[in-house]
Amino acid sequence: SAVISQKPSRDICQRGTSLTIQCQVDSQVTMMFWYRQQPGQSLTLIATANQGSEATYESGFVIDKFPISRPNLTFSTLTVSNMSPEDSSIYLCSVVMGPYEQYFGPGTRLTVT
Amino acid sequence: AQSVTQPDIHITVSEGASLELRCNYSYGATPYLFWYVQSPGQGLQLLLKYFSGDTLVQGIKGFEAEFKRSQSSFNLRKPSVHWSDAAEYFCAVAEANTGKLIFGQGTTLQVKP
Repeated sequence: SAVISQKPSRDICQRGTSLTIQCQVDSQVTMMFWYRQQPGQSLTLIATANQGSEATYESGFVIDKFPISRPNLTFSTLTVSNMSPEDSSIYLCSVVMGPYEQYFGPGTRLTVT
Repeated sequence: AQSVTQPDIHITVSEGASLELRCNYSYGATPYLFWYVQSPGQGLQLLLKYFSGDTLVQGIKGFEAEFKRSQSSFNLRKPSVHWSDAAEYFCAVAEANTGKLIFGQGTTLQVKP
């Protein structure tokens, strides 16, 4: 497995602002994912963030709203831009270790007022 | 399209009783199946996985799951539930060519003293 940390762990933001979430892994990984978990819901994949290539976004998610960086094999950021209350969610990063096994960070709980 | 269904949104069991959480999947090829647990305010923890071979797989915390291809099911079981098992449980299937996880809606487990 891997040790994954996320910053911040939680934040309260005003609508119209942006928040950048950091995901740090203690080992080098190729595949990394970002998920959103809306209140009381399951996880929805936002994008795949592989080092050395542009992030690949799922249907319903766009780069202008959720820009992602992946500068190296241990770090990634997700920015939630021009936030609205509908963006209030838990945002989780995950990494793939071994065939298909994903390990998750502790999540960032975002509240938009 | 691939999908995962967890028919039970909420389950309550008494401490010490046995537990079975249901999971049905729809996937064209050999599925790579997972169970995750999410305790309140926490990220997701991998309980167990099935890739191939023995259809009864053992996981952490005393959990096991049985893969039944004929029923497209991957039910999670525990013979004796502890109060600390109260959490949200997610079943997931991995897409073989992308590694993306498709999650079920989750089952909330409540444990009565």
